[in-house]
Amino acid sequence: GENVEQHPSTLSVQEGDSAVIKCTYSDSASNYFPWYKQELGKGPQLIIDIRSNVGEKKDQRIAVTLNKTAKHFSLHITETQPEDSAVYFCAAASLNTDKLIFGTGTRLQVFP
Amino acid sequence: ETGVTQTPRHLVMGMTNKKSLKCEQHLGHNAMYWYKQSAKKPLELMFVYNFKEQTENNSVPSRFSPECPNSSHLFLHLHTLQPEDSALYLCASSQEGTFANEQFFGPGTRLTVL
Repeated sequence: GENVEQHPSTLSVQEGDSAVIKCTYSDSASNYFPWYKQELGKGPQLIIDIRSNVGEKKDQRIAVTLNKTAKHFSLHITETQPEDSAVYFCAAASLNTDKLIFGTGTRLQVFP
Repeated sequence: ETGVTQTPRHLVMGMTNKKSLKCEQHLGHNAMYWYKQSAKKPLELMFVYNFKEQTENNSVPSRFSPECPNSSHLFLHLHTLQPEDSALYLCASSQEGTFANEQFFGPGTRLTVL
């Protein structure tokens, strides 16, 4: 079946450094790729998403890149801050199957 | 606040108990979802309701029984659960019942089955 692999499972960075989280997907018909941030005691919250007709999208310190040929996409956070510390989930959705498949999450810790 | 509330936030129950989880969304959305979140595993979709009609049951055991009386409320009725059902249960809503749209999640109910 369809799956999404996410790496790394944990990531520690110094405040001000960049953080990169990578995901690969198996369903070549996937066309929507959201990223969710989950803070302690809260549900996941969408921070950025990208559709298959673009290769890159940026929103302030957050950017997502998509390589459809290689079937992978990445989240880039620049100038990290302690409040960026959370668990980040990638996901992939396919119009064919109409399913949203999540990765296993990356715990990001930003040290001051 | 995301506009999706869940009660209770924490629940401890024995295997013979019957309990219900409640979710309410104040966003005017037409689709609601139940997810199970376990440590080190991807979010698992359990049920989808679109315009109050159940459109997906992701092979969930019958000890979990959903109910959607209207587009704003979603319940998950629990009975004779097993310890492995202990997890965070998340409710979400979206404008439409297609997965290519943003989903708004509630804070979850942390369930412990003894």
